[in-house]
Amino acid sequence: EAGVAQSPRYKIIEKRQSVAFWCNPISGHATLYWYQQILGQGPKLLIQFQNNGVVDDSQLPKDRFSAERLKGVDSTLKIQPAKLEDSAVYLCASRRETHNEQFFGPGTRLTVL
Amino acid sequence: DAKTTQPTSMDCAEGRAANLPCNHSTISGNEYVYWYRQIHSQGPQYIIHGLKNNETNEMASLIITEDRKSSTLILPHATLRDTAVYYCIVRPYSGNTGKLIFGQGTTLQVKP
Repeated sequence: EAGVAQSPRYKIIEKRQSVAFWCNPISGHATLYWYQQILGQGPKLLIQFQNNGVVDDSQLPKDRFSAERLKGVDSTLKIQPAKLEDSAVYLCASRRETHNEQFFGPGTRLTVL
Repeated sequence: DAKTTQPTSMDCAEGRAANLPCNHSTISGNEYVYWYRQIHSQGPQYIIHGLKNNETNEMASLIITEDRKSSTLILPHATLRDTAVYYCIVRPYSGNTGKLIFGQGTTLQVKP
């Protein structure tokens, strides 16, 4: 089966600009996650969707980050405006409802200058 | 915060077994131990998980102590492609949300 797809793979922007990341989960996976991974650290959960509803967004900086999952399939994560400290890899993962294993995409590496 | 403690780094000779320890002394009775790994420039990859019995799959074995306060991930015959950061995660029991809290993991370097 095809894995989790993410685009773009790399993005360079200046601070205060906006950026959006896209994720296409594995077909049939109802749960979708966005993680932020700063260099040298483990991934940190930003938001979790179950179908198109938000389950957990407690770690999402809502003043600048937003995410949506229309129709319960693809998802987009947006940052507006970006700060220098947002430089990180943004990982998308998905999970089948009856399984424990999360499948991760390759990530989008964001550099904010 | 992560509920596990792992060594920062380890080396292993190619072809030898790699034994990666993890301490989770505050684990609750209904929490599982999960292992993921992350090869450079890739997303994390699930390896194995267990509750209290030892587990084995095609990738690795997981040995959990009887008191469940620590565990060891064993890669029986490490190859250069096993060089990665290995994360030991105790999954909080919160229904079926599948939330994972990653620590900093152990960087395993497999050497020829």
